[in-house]
Amino acid sequence: EVQLVQSGAEVKKPGESLKISCKGSGYTFRSYWIGWVRQMPGKGLEWMGIIYAGDSGTRYSPSFQGQVTISVDKSINTAYLQWSNLKASDTAMYYCARHGDYSHADYWGQGTLVTVSS
Amino acid sequence: QPVLTQSSSASASLGSSVKLTCTLNRGHDTYIIAWHQQQPGKAPRFLMRLEGAGRYNRGSGVPARFSGSSSGADRYLTISSLQSEDEAIYYCETWDSNTWVFGGGTKLTVL
Repeated sequence: EVQLVQSGAEVKKPGESLKISCKGSGYTFRSYWIGWVRQMPGKGLEWMGIIYAGDSGTRYSPSFQGQVTISVDKSINTAYLQWSNLKASDTAMYYCARHGDYSHADYWGQGTLVTVSS
Repeated sequence: QPVLTQSSSASASLGSSVKLTCTLNRGHDTYIIAWHQQQPGKAPRFLMRLEGAGRYNRGSGVPARFSGSSSGADRYLTISSLQSEDEAIYYCETWDSNTWVFGGGTKLTVL
């Protein structure tokens, strides 16, 4: 069974750094892309970026380029999304999703809620 | 770059059928899309992949009540025999060489 399990909810202060994770199981992790999606409170889904687990090749949405870093450790089947300087506007639910053949998402993680507040 | 347009809301009665629409912008009307369902308080769930010719492939465990079709730049999701658990927001997704996009989502109310 394909599963993506994300790390738990985080509460941070503005200016702090954060790294959240997404661990894949039930499939050959290195053969798929992992995408990250933001959902701000009461809003729709926004694509942030995507990484190929096999070679760490990455694509970013222009809206998020330079604001976040996507990485992967294929030795432990885990993808990451990190911030170096959190803002209150980063408060949102973040989802990871598996993408097959550089196409659409076909499995989703359960989400990680990030709250940034002073 | 592709853009997807969805109506913000739709409603239909329990046991009836509903057809949701996702429209691709000019120049992208042959694109493949995916439909995802997000029930209240839950993560999105992949429903199906839908091609421009109307062929579709449902995700694992997705009931046959969910079907897809296409006409020109429009991609449709039809849900038949509506159940209360179908009340959700439905998003379409597509992608290009270096970018992915989601539609704004359609909130479906089951009356």
